[in-house]
Amino acid sequence: SQQGEEDPQALSIQEGENATMNCSYKTSINNLQWYRQNSGRGLVHLILIRSNEREKHSGRLRVTLDTSKKSSSLLITASRAADTASYFCATETSGTYKYIFGTGTRLKVLA
Amino acid sequence: EAGVVQSPRYKIIEKKQPVAFWCNPISGHNTLYWYLQNLGQGPELLIRYENEEAVDDSQLPKDRFSAERLKGVDSTLKIQPAELGDSAVYLCASSLRGSGGNEQFFGPGTRLTVL
Repeated sequence: SQQGEEDPQALSIQEGENATMNCSYKTSINNLQWYRQNSGRGLVHLILIRSNEREKHSGRLRVTLDTSKKSSSLLITASRAADTASYFCATETSGTYKYIFGTGTRLKVLA
Repeated sequence: EAGVVQSPRYKIIEKKQPVAFWCNPISGHNTLYWYLQNLGQGPELLIRYENEEAVDDSQLPKDRFSAERLKGVDSTLKIQPAELGDSAVYLCASSLRGSGGNEQFFGPGTRLTVL
């Protein structure tokens, strides 16, 4: 069973707009990672945020983490058609190296 | 640097037949994972290896699934016998061992269809 729940399940936006997706989880974590999966391709790591961090940036990506609410958000700014993919959060449970993936958000960026 | 290699990419079998998947991780990565991904869902861990030791196989259905990682490098995941519900994508991933925060590198996966 999967720990993470992502919201929304699907998102459709115009090119140039920002996309925000959220991840909620259930247990204490060491860190949280976001991955992207293009149709028919493998998962690619995007960004990692540790449990003692609140915000992190990487290029057009901004991730926030609120451990009190057990939630994280991924913001993609100035989206491009190439950002069309499924996005998954993965949490590393405290005290382990075990990662649990969320259910994913399917993002479609329209040109 | 070569990525994680998996074979075959696609496999179609009839139920009750055996099937095996192979994974070659990134050189130097001590940790190897096998995941199952159903359509529209995130990956679910089946088994995790640290070198040749299976350190987490709690989600592996041991009545029909088995895995091995000889010499702590390549790994094989086997299903015998396969059931209709096993149709899914089987993903292999590897990472460097260390403290929390290991980025996982995924292979392209093997898409299994059980008829």
